[in-house]
Amino acid sequence: GQNIDQPTEMTATEGAIVQINCTYQTSGFNGLFWYQQHAGEAPTFLSYNVLDGLEEKGRFSSFLSRSKGYSYLLLKELQMKDSASYLCAVKGTGFQKLVFGTGTRLLVSP
Amino acid sequence: EAQVTQNPRYLITVTGKKLTVTCSQNMNHEYMSWYRQDPGLGLRQIYYSMNVEVTDKGDVPEGYKVSRKEKRNFPLILESPSPNQTSLYFCATTPGTAYNEQFFGPGTRLTVL
Repeated sequence: GQNIDQPTEMTATEGAIVQINCTYQTSGFNGLFWYQQHAGEAPTFLSYNVLDGLEEKGRFSSFLSRSKGYSYLLLKELQMKDSASYLCAVKGTGFQKLVFGTGTRLLVSP
Repeated sequence: EAQVTQNPRYLITVTGKKLTVTCSQNMNHEYMSWYRQDPGLGLRQIYYSMNVEVTDKGDVPEGYKVSRKEKRNFPLILESPSPNQTSLYFCATTPGTAYNEQFFGPGTRLTVL
């Protein structure tokens, strides 16, 4: 079976750091994605990890541990515009077989 | 401008009335997918296509059909819509196997009464 877990909702303050965790159990693994989705809009790509370790891209970083089935997205220097849902997705075997988690809604307050 | 377009963006219809949601991309991408997004369930793949005339079922294909007669277009067809198909639908494209990022269309909000 395939299962991806992430917290439903998180809150944080502007300027702070927040870590959004994702654990997964899938029948195959060819990489893990993080997408950002503002309310009513399409998801937009944030990061992709296929090897263990940390990938940094500006204020956002993503970490992967394949042995633990675990990833996190780290957002630094939070801004109000970071209020959105963050979707964890795992690419399984076969063509573009992406399985999405239900998403974590992040609310950034002043 | 590189983009994925969907039409219509919003649609309210009645049970049993056939409808088509179009998806078009101008990026010459090989791979296209349809997803539906429902509260508490996340994005679920309906159908995907690896190239012209090559399509396959995703996780929730029941009640849907697709076709890929041209590379740029991947319409989603609901032959007899039912209320449980009320959802937010996204089309997504990927250049090819060497790429990973999916580019999503703006979404189509469908309500079936």
